[in-house]
Amino acid sequence: EAGVTQFPSHSVIEKGQTVTLRCDPISGHDNLYWYRRVMGKEIKFLLHFVKESKQDESGMPNNRFLAERTGGTYSTLKVQPAELEDSGVYFCASSQGRLANYGYTFGSGTRLTVV
Amino acid sequence: AQKITQTQPGMFVQEKEAVTLDCTYDTSDPSYGLFWYKQPSSGEMIFLIYQGSYDQQNATEGRYSLNFQKARKSANLVISASQLGDSAMYFCAMREFNTGGFKTIFGAGTRLFVKA
Repeated sequence: EAGVTQFPSHSVIEKGQTVTLRCDPISGHDNLYWYRRVMGKEIKFLLHFVKESKQDESGMPNNRFLAERTGGTYSTLKVQPAELEDSGVYFCASSQGRLANYGYTFGSGTRLTVV
Repeated sequence: AQKITQTQPGMFVQEKEAVTLDCTYDTSDPSYGLFWYKQPSSGEMIFLIYQGSYDQQNATEGRYSLNFQKARKSANLVISASQLGDSAMYFCAMREFNTGGFKTIFGAGTRLFVKA
């Protein structure tokens, strides 16, 4: 089974530009999550999709971040306009069902550097 | 207040020895789950082990075991017989089932170095 795929693996953009990160979850996984790790700090929750619906977006830092999951398959996270503090590693994860002990399956992350 | 605390930014262990990675947590939700993830240098996050707050026994998965001390709110990961491939970043995490939905909260991580 293919894992969670994230694209691109690295992105370097200038402040003020726009970047779109993509996540392809494991096929059949209804739950899709975005997390972010700023260098050296804890991994922080951004939002959670159940199929195409945003279940919880309490972690989105501000309105420069827009996440979508059209059709309930892959998801995109757009940052527009990017700021220096947006630099970090953005992880996507997916899980199936509502069983409590399901760990997430994570992608390898997108390392975003804003210069 | 931090909900997950990992006080060891880095740890060294000799190959074939056991190592304990510390994790303490804070929650008022009686129903919660504790997780450990491994992040090797390749970047992906790998789920290792789970412990539920109502589980009576400590969770074990192969060489991984979770030393769950509920009263002390600690969930330390024990890796037995360390291998060179265990060198990685390890994250402790928690999910609060009544109040947190599906959101998982992570600690800052501990980097483990296994010496040959």
